[in-house]
Amino acid sequence: QKEVEQDPGPLSVPEGAIVSLNCTYSNSAFQYFMWYRQYSRKGPELLMYTYSSGNKEDGRFTAQVDKSSKYISLFIRDSQPSDSATYLCAMIRNNYGQNFVFGPGTRLSVLP
Amino acid sequence: DGGITQSPKYLFRKEGQNVTLSCEQNLNHDAMYWYRQDPGQGLRLIYYSQIVNDFQKGDIAEGYSVSREKKESFPLTVTSAQKNPTAFYLCASTTISIMNTEAFFGQGTRLTVV
Repeated sequence: QKEVEQDPGPLSVPEGAIVSLNCTYSNSAFQYFMWYRQYSRKGPELLMYTYSSGNKEDGRFTAQVDKSSKYISLFIRDSQPSDSATYLCAMIRNNYGQNFVFGPGTRLSVLP
Repeated sequence: DGGITQSPKYLFRKEGQNVTLSCEQNLNHDAMYWYRQDPGQGLRLIYYSQIVNDFQKGDIAEGYSVSREKKESFPLTVTSAQKNPTAFYLCASTTISIMNTEAFFGQGTRLTVV
């Protein structure tokens, strides 16, 4: 079993839809959870991070962590064509520059 | 502007040839990483370094080598021992501090074997 599982998609939604992206993980030692966005042929960039169970909002984005179920989600409200990208979840055991473990990424297309 | 720079953007390698990918950062970050990205597999760690003159193997180090002679630089050599080197290579850096969880990535190098 992989440490981090993520549906690779592709996922296509109409503009304005609410998007839900999810990852599950198997290692309960993970403490910090991140979502990265990667446009085609570019490096990933950090969207959001959280370290506790519950929700964290930033504009149209909400990150949700459920440590008891080992499940994290990213919600995108009022999705835009510019949100079309691959979304990678990532997690680390602690924040002393330790190794990140990435999900395979979900490719999202938001259609105008 | 602070950032992390990878070069070249595209690289072609002949069978049996070694090639070196460059990664430079001016963020004053202690830790640097090399990842390989293949379709459907996400990012896999090749090597990482948390301090100058020291580095550790990641999950898929075979066929690769690195050096860390300067804090700013972490070049990756893809050797002829790497049997399937065609991939997108990403370099990243982070601080090592209790408040940091962000990895900064370069724009990647796409390596193709011809």
